[in-house]
Amino acid sequence: KQEVTQIPAALSVPEGENLVLNCSFTDSAIYNLQWFRQDPGKGLTSLLLIQSSQREQTSGRLNASLDKSSGRSTLYIAASQPGDSATYLCAVDHTGGFKTIFGAGTRLFVKA
Amino acid sequence: DTGVSQNPRHKITKRGQNVTFRCDPISEHNRLYWYRQTLGQGPEFLTYFQNEAQLEKSRLLSDRFSAERPKGSFSTLEIQRTEQGDSAMYLCASSPSPETQYFGPGTRLLVL
Repeated sequence: KQEVTQIPAALSVPEGENLVLNCSFTDSAIYNLQWFRQDPGKGLTSLLLIQSSQREQTSGRLNASLDKSSGRSTLYIAASQPGDSATYLCAVDHTGGFKTIFGAGTRLFVKA
Repeated sequence: DTGVSQNPRHKITKRGQNVTFRCDPISEHNRLYWYRQTLGQGPEFLTYFQNEAQLEKSRLLSDRFSAERPKGSFSTLEIQRTEQGDSAMYLCASSPSPETQYFGPGTRLLVL
């Protein structure tokens, strides 16, 4: 049974700091891995999707890496801003798009 | 394209009552997903539709839960004889392919 774990559960950093969020999964036979952002009381917004054959994806200040063999992914956020404050969720998919398994998320607070 | 919409956004009901939620996916997205999210946790997969066919159901979807997607357009999720443990955010997502899912804002259910 796939389990997705995210560390840390919560993180508070001053504005401008670079930071890394971690995600680990127990079954390396994944189809893809996604990072989502969720603002309080809202739905999820996809940030980056990494296919199983890829090692990393970049979008603006965000960079996500994937190491399938070790069951790990990291989300790197450069030059953090208060607007980055949200919960970041990691999700893995085995079967081509359904039964996506999510981690519990990392709650990020960026202080101005 | 206005994104995925869900109605109602909030629902308060008494234990034992039936409730129904509606999800309108992005037009032409043939895949539709329902998730349940409790406080401090990531979304948990409930069920998946491809067009009008319900192809996957989680064990979380007890006999009191039923989902439909008539004509492959909007979808409804009904919970019969609600229990306090059903209190959660119910999220709907749609996608055109087995990759990025586009989430709605969710319906927050409180069972008293």
